[in-house]
Amino acid sequence: GAVVSQHPSWVICKSGTSVKIECRSLDFQATTMFWYRQFPKQSLMLMATSNEGSKATYEQGVEKDKFLINHASLTLSTLTVTSAHPEDSSFYICSASSSSSSFNYGYTFGSGTRLTVV
Amino acid sequence: TQLLEQSPQFLSIQEGENLTVYCNSSSVFSSLQWYRQEPGEGPVLLVTVVTGGEVKKLKRLTFQFGDARKDSSLHITAAQPGDTGLYLCAGALEGSNYKLTFGKGTLLTVNP
Repeated sequence: GAVVSQHPSWVICKSGTSVKIECRSLDFQATTMFWYRQFPKQSLMLMATSNEGSKATYEQGVEKDKFLINHASLTLSTLTVTSAHPEDSSFYICSASSSSSSFNYGYTFGSGTRLTVV
Repeated sequence: TQLLEQSPQFLSIQEGENLTVYCNSSSVFSSLQWYRQEPGEGPVLLVTVVTGGEVKKLKRLTFQFGDARKDSSLHITAAQPGDTGLYLCAGALEGSNYKLTFGKGTLLTVNP
């Protein structure tokens, strides 16, 4: 089945530094990738939709200059948290779809990245 | 306003009991999905329901999509400790470009 690899699985960084999270589709081409944020024991909140070769679409309230998304190829999307602060600490998850027709079969999610900013 | 109302938020039961989780909305969804998530992991798809009134079974799990495609339920029979986890319903509104909206989740604990 479809596999999405997310890296790193956890990262600790100092306040003010930037962190890059990678999301790769291993056995299919992902035309669309989604980035979510999840707080402990809460649901997933969509941050942005990333389409290959175009600018990401951000949800209301998500700072696009702080959460930089790049989807330069059909198998890789990256999320960069710039000038991270402790309030950015969270669990970040990506998901991918190969095409609209695969939606009814569910999206494949990465295993998540636990970001801790100290 | 939460687009998908999921209930209950927390559920703690004994092994062998049955339970039902509900996912309700005032909006129509083109399809609805149920995921299960373990701590520190991404969600894993359990089922997708597409047709109003559809019922799908996955071993001890039964999923139902409402006739009007506005609600869904997940029923677990004879729950086991291995069923413990966060259960999430998610759907895409018609015309939303397949953007998933998640319910708040149900944290299920099955005690041995």
